[in-house]
Amino acid sequence: DADVTQTPRNRITKTGKRIMLECSQTKGHDRMYWYRQDPGLGLQLIYYSFDVKDINKGEISDGYSVSRQAQAKFSLSLESAIPNQTALYFCATSDTGGGKTQYFGPGTRLLVL
Amino acid sequence: ELKVEQNPLFLSMQEGKNYTIYCNYSTTSDRLYWYRQDPGKSLESLFVLLSNGAVKQEGRLMASLDTKARLSTLHITAAVHDLSATYFCAAERTYSGGGADGLTFGKGTHLIIQP
Repeated sequence: DADVTQTPRNRITKTGKRIMLECSQTKGHDRMYWYRQDPGLGLQLIYYSFDVKDINKGEISDGYSVSRQAQAKFSLSLESAIPNQTALYFCATSDTGGGKTQYFGPGTRLLVL
Repeated sequence: ELKVEQNPLFLSMQEGKNYTIYCNYSTTSDRLYWYRQDPGKSLESLFVLLSNGAVKQEGRLMASLDTKARLSTLHITAAVHDLSATYFCAAERTYSGGGADGLTFGKGTHLIIQP
């Protein structure tokens, strides 16, 4: 079984709808991250969490919110989706401390019409 | 603000040739990461470089870090078709006391290796 899972894997929604992307991990890591990938732009950090009580904004947090329900679960919400949020979204986890490899989930492809 | 620039962004090369991908970053960072992404897939960790002068090798790939020049390189030796992928470098912003947050990625180098 995969260490980092994301649901759904693909989603089509309409402008203005609320949508939640979920991430679960079995690696026992404290740190979890949400990134979005747009073609030709690399990955950009949306939010990150160093433990259940520690959540921080990344470089592009506007329009997004997150919830860390447990050490193993980190969800990303789009309260009112807009077309320019169409992207590939990745969850990642890492062990505590700097210089630790981030392990990425399979990604969720989101299309906002 | 930490910025990461890769070049080239696109590279087409023949099997058997050598080439280098460059990754420059804008502010102090002692931690540099290289990832590989195949089309439609997730990111796979290749190397983590944690100090000035660090060099790591795996098969035909070798990565190095020069923190004074704020430069990391990914060198490909005798390329083979299976190495075709997009390669990303990422730097980790660090703070006094050892704290850090998420990664800042370059735009990626799309590498095609032709037989």
